[in-house]
Amino acid sequence: EDQVTQSPEALRLQEGESSSLNCSYTVSGLRGLFWYRQDPGKGPEFLFTLYSAGEEKEKERLKATLTKKESFLHITAPKPEDSATYLCAVQSPNTGNQFYFGTGTSLTVIP
Amino acid sequence: DAGVIQSPRHEVTEMGQEVTLRCKPISGHNSLFWYRQTMMRGLELLIYFNNNVPIDDSGMPEDRFSAKMPNASFSTLKIQPSEPRDSAVYFCASRKGDYTGELFFGEGSRLTVL
Repeated sequence: EDQVTQSPEALRLQEGESSSLNCSYTVSGLRGLFWYRQDPGKGPEFLFTLYSAGEEKEKERLKATLTKKESFLHITAPKPEDSATYLCAVQSPNTGNQFYFGTGTSLTVIP
Repeated sequence: DAGVIQSPRHEVTEMGQEVTLRCKPISGHNSLFWYRQTMMRGLELLIYFNNNVPIDDSGMPEDRFSAKMPNASFSTLKIQPSEPRDSAVYFCASRKGDYTGELFFGEGSRLTVL
């Protein structure tokens, strides 16, 4: 069965303390892996798409990487405004259009 | 672009009442998705449309749920009768491509069924 697992469930960092969030997946083939940011009371906001192992994408303090079994979202020198829930989703050719979402990592950055 | 627009943002109703949630996708997007988000289960796909045609409704919980997309700029999700376990945030999302590409989400409709 296709699955997406995110860890940790929650993460508290001091401002400037770099860390990584993990998204591991078991899908039969991969059409794409997507990272989203969700603020309280808002809809998920698209961050990155990764399509193949070895691919990397960067945006400000965030960098997403992909291997054949997992993806990492690296946060360098985070600021309080990076506090949010980060969701990953995978799209598998076996399920056509369907996106499987993980349950997210809730990140809190303390000033 | 105005983004995906959902209404109402908040709905409080009593058990047994009919609830209708509305969505206007981004203009030019071919696919529309309805998701439900709860603390316990995260984001769950309920149904998606491609070019206004329902493609997969296997995530719809039961016959109390129905969704329509009468045209490219409007979709509804209806719950009749509503039950307390339907309380959740319902998101609509749209995508430009038929099969690939990122989803763009609306702000969500928070439903509370008493």
